[in-house]
Amino acid sequence: QKEVEQNSGPLSVPEGAIASLNCTYSDRGSQSFFWYRQYSGKSPELIMFIYSNGDKEDGRFTAQLNKASQYVSLLIRDSQPSDSATYLCAVNTQNTPLVFGKGTRLSVIA
Amino acid sequence: DTAVSQTPKYLVTQMGNDKSIKCEQNLGHDTMYWYKQDSKKFLKIMFSYNNKELIINETVPNRFSPKSPDKAHLNLHINSLELGDSAVYFCASSPRAGGPLETQYFGPGTRLLVL
Repeated sequence: QKEVEQNSGPLSVPEGAIASLNCTYSDRGSQSFFWYRQYSGKSPELIMFIYSNGDKEDGRFTAQLNKASQYVSLLIRDSQPSDSATYLCAVNTQNTPLVFGKGTRLSVIA
Repeated sequence: DTAVSQTPKYLVTQMGNDKSIKCEQNLGHDTMYWYKQDSKKFLKIMFSYNNKELIINETVPNRFSPKSPDKAHLNLHINSLELGDSAVYFCASSPRAGGPLETQYFGPGTRLLVL
């Protein structure tokens, strides 16, 4: 059973700080890693994906992947109250569908 | 233009009824999905279709039957609704299944409440 683990939170950070969201996965063959954001009462929306070891930056967001440790993280710099949401990690291989984690609830306090 | 649309947005019904949810995507994607998100917010895949062919059928009661008349549409029919079916049902689509091209785009969700 492929598993994707996330701390459910809530993770509380002050406005302007860096929020660090973490995700571990069990399938060593996993190849693609996605971060989704879901506001309360809304649908998940893609923030970014990564498939190579290292960092990938997009604006205030940085995804970090370490395949040896089976670990992927999302950093949000200069956190804003509007970043308060649940962040879902999702993982797949070339031939299997996405498996979602249960999500981490982030609260950015003004 | 809405990329992935679902109807209805809200559905309130009595136990034992049969209901359908419709989904359409105008992104030209090959793969479509149905997810169930329960009160604990866990997003669980139910079905996936690729070019109208069923490719994933997770452990879901056979009261749930998906139908894909073409690759832009994936509908979900639910027979004999039960209280435990109350949840938000999301439709999603992706260019293809598997790999980095399985970037999924979600519809707005259908909030089902069974009384």
